[in-house]
Amino acid sequence: DSGVTQTPKHLITATGQRVTLRCSPRSGDLSVYWYQQSLDQGLQFLIQYYNGEERAKGNILERFSAQQFPDLHSELNLSSLELGDSALYFCASSVGTGYFNYGYTFGSGTRLTVV
Amino acid sequence: AQSVAQPEDQVNVAEGNPLTVKCTYSVSGNPYLFWYVQYPNRGLQFLLKYITGDNLVKGSYGFEAEFNKSQTSFHLKKPSALVSDSALYFCAVRDMEDASKIIFGSGTRLSIRP
Repeated sequence: DSGVTQTPKHLITATGQRVTLRCSPRSGDLSVYWYQQSLDQGLQFLIQYYNGEERAKGNILERFSAQQFPDLHSELNLSSLELGDSALYFCASSVGTGYFNYGYTFGSGTRLTVV
Repeated sequence: AQSVAQPEDQVNVAEGNPLTVKCTYSVSGNPYLFWYVQYPNRGLQFLLKYITGDNLVKGSYGFEAEFNKSQTSFHLKKPSALVSDSALYFCAVRDMEDASKIIFGSGTRLSIRP
C-alpha cells in the first residue's frame, strides 16, 4: 500500500456522461498530481495542486477539471465523456513542490471505460 | 524541450541473466532522474532516483542505475533477473523549467523467461 488512495478502482460509463475520480494523498503530502495513462499515449500529465491551489497544468482537456479540498484530497471531474477518454487515471502525491519535489508516490489508479 | 527516451519497447531476458533497461535524457543543467516500475493493474512504484553524488544509485528489489553525464544516460540494471521482475519500467526526469513536474518516458516492458 503506497499510502495514496484512489476510488473507485473501476468505472464503466456511457459516452456523454460525467464522472468524478477521487484521490487521497499520502499523509503529510501537500501536492497532488493527476496523470492519464492510455495504451497509445503513455503517461500524460494532466494537472497539479499544491495545498489547495492549482500549480501546474499539462495536457488537460477543457472537459476535465480538478480541485483539491482543505483536507488535501483531490477530485478529477471528467465530463461529456468520449470513447477516447477510456484510460487509467493515476493520482500521485509528494511532500513538496518546485525544487522540493523529490519524486512522487502513486496510487493504484482508476480504470475508466467509456462505452 | 526536456525529455527522456526509452529506446526499447520491450526487453526479453532469461531468468538469472543480467538485465539492462536503457534510458537517455535531454535536459539543460543537472538532472534529477527516476526509475519507476508498474506491475499489472497497479500504480507506478518508485525504484530509485539520482539527484547528485555517486553515479551508481542503488534502489529497491536489487535494481541499480548508472548515471552517465557524457552519454546523457541513466540505464537501469540488475545482475540477476527474476521472473517476478517482469513489468513495465518508466524512466523519468524532473522538469528543469517547472520542478513540480516529472516527465516520464514511454516505458519499456521487461519480460523475464524462466
